Amino acid sequence: GAGVSQSPRYKVAKRGQDVALRCDPISGHVSLFWYQQALGQGPEFLTYFQNEAQLDKSGLPSDRFFAERPEGSVSTLKIQRTQQEDSAVYLCASSLAQGGSYEQYFGPGTRLTVT
Amino acid sequence: AQSVSQHNHHVILSEAASLELGCNYSYGGTVNLFWYVQYPGQHLQLLLKYFSGDPLVKGIKGFEAEFIKSKFSFNLRKPSVQWSDTAEYFCAVDNYGQNFVFGPGTRLSVLP
Repeated sequence: GAGVSQSPRYKVAKRGQDVALRCDPISGHVSLFWYQQALGQGPEFLTYFQNEAQLDKSGLPSDRFFAERPEGSVSTLKIQRTQQEDSAVYLCASSLAQGGSYEQYFGPGTRLTVT
Repeated sequence: AQSVSQHNHHVILSEAASLELGCNYSYGGTVNLFWYVQYPGQHLQLLLKYFSGDPLVKGIKGFEAEFIKSKFSFNLRKPSVQWSDTAEYFCAVDNYGQNFVFGPGTRLSVLP
């Protein structure tokens, strides 16, 4: 069966450029999460959607980061005016529902390098 | 704020050795606990999970973990590791529907 997919898998951006990262969750999964994973560290939460509603964006590091999920399925994480400290792997995960005992399924990630 | 700590940054073992990776969390309420594994070049995969019931949970590939509530711990174990277990292991805590909080990870290297 299809898992969580992300595109592009790799992105190189010059400092100051805008980037858009896409996540296709597992069909029927209500919840969608974005994480940032720096080299040698564990994933850190960025934001969370339940269907199209963004219920928690407390992990977004600055107002340059913006995420949307307009139709409750595909999500896009946008980073404006990229900085070198934005270089990381951006992970998307989806789960069947919010609350209770549901595991998250992760995509392969997008490795962003800002030069 | 909720946090997850993993005791070892890098563990090196020979094949057939026993493994125990430590994980402690700070949240005092009801939690769900997970271990994820990331093999080289692959994405995060669920190894095992604890939601309720028997505190000793068994996962894939011979891994198990024990939830000790009084110690806020969820240590991962395997009696005999294989070279193919070489990977990064992440402990994660989900405080009931909120976001996951991951530990920093433990890199396991198994020597053939």
